[in-house]
Amino acid sequence: DAKTTQPNSMESNEEEPVHLPCNHSTISGTDYIHWYRQLPSQGPEYVIHGLTSNVNNRMASLAIAEDRKSSTLILHRATLRDAAVYYCILRALSTGTASKLTFGTGTRLQVTL
Amino acid sequence: DTGVSQDPRHKITKRGQNVTFRCDPISEHNRLYWYRQTLGQGPEFLTYFQNEAQLEKSRLLSDRFSAERPKGSFSTLEIQRTEQGDSAMYLCASSTRQGATQETQYFGPGTRLLVL
Repeated sequence: DAKTTQPNSMESNEEEPVHLPCNHSTISGTDYIHWYRQLPSQGPEYVIHGLTSNVNNRMASLAIAEDRKSSTLILHRATLRDAAVYYCILRALSTGTASKLTFGTGTRLQVTL
Repeated sequence: DTGVSQDPRHKITKRGQNVTFRCDPISEHNRLYWYRQTLGQGPEFLTYFQNEAQLEKSRLLSDRFSAERPKGSFSTLEIQRTEQGDSAMYLCASSTRQGATQETQYFGPGTRLLVL
């Protein structure tokens, strides 16, 4: 699987936008970019995913660079409940049976008042 | 609550004992995954079931580990002769069959194991 690189930690003030970067310079043309987050003492939860175009959902937006070598998860107004570890994961197109998630160490987001 | 549930949430055991964890996936999810997470690291894949068939096992899953999913519903993960290095959070996730690249996995809260 192609590798992703994320900053270890970031800080944000509450109600301000947060841009969480992810580098994936070895991404292949068929890899989807997925983001999951893990709140304290909980299992990971799905946030958003995309292939080439920018994506929006109720939780976040995903901005994908034109060359697809990087992407940014955007939280439009961070709240204290968004404090979590955010994982950027590449999903390879595969005809195999397993579609396991390969997590890195993620970015720990701290949100302060 | 219709999410993924895991039992127990916490387990403390002595080295050498056997432990068993249970995962109940979201109803009608045919795929079930087990992951392990140690402190400060992201989850690592252990094994995967599609219905009752165990289709992939990680090299992390030594012969002391065994997982089952009878009847394609709940799953159990057993660790025999536990070692201190087995101390970790054990996470279960389930999903429905979609294209591999777009599948969403739903995680349970995990079972935290401490081996003394």
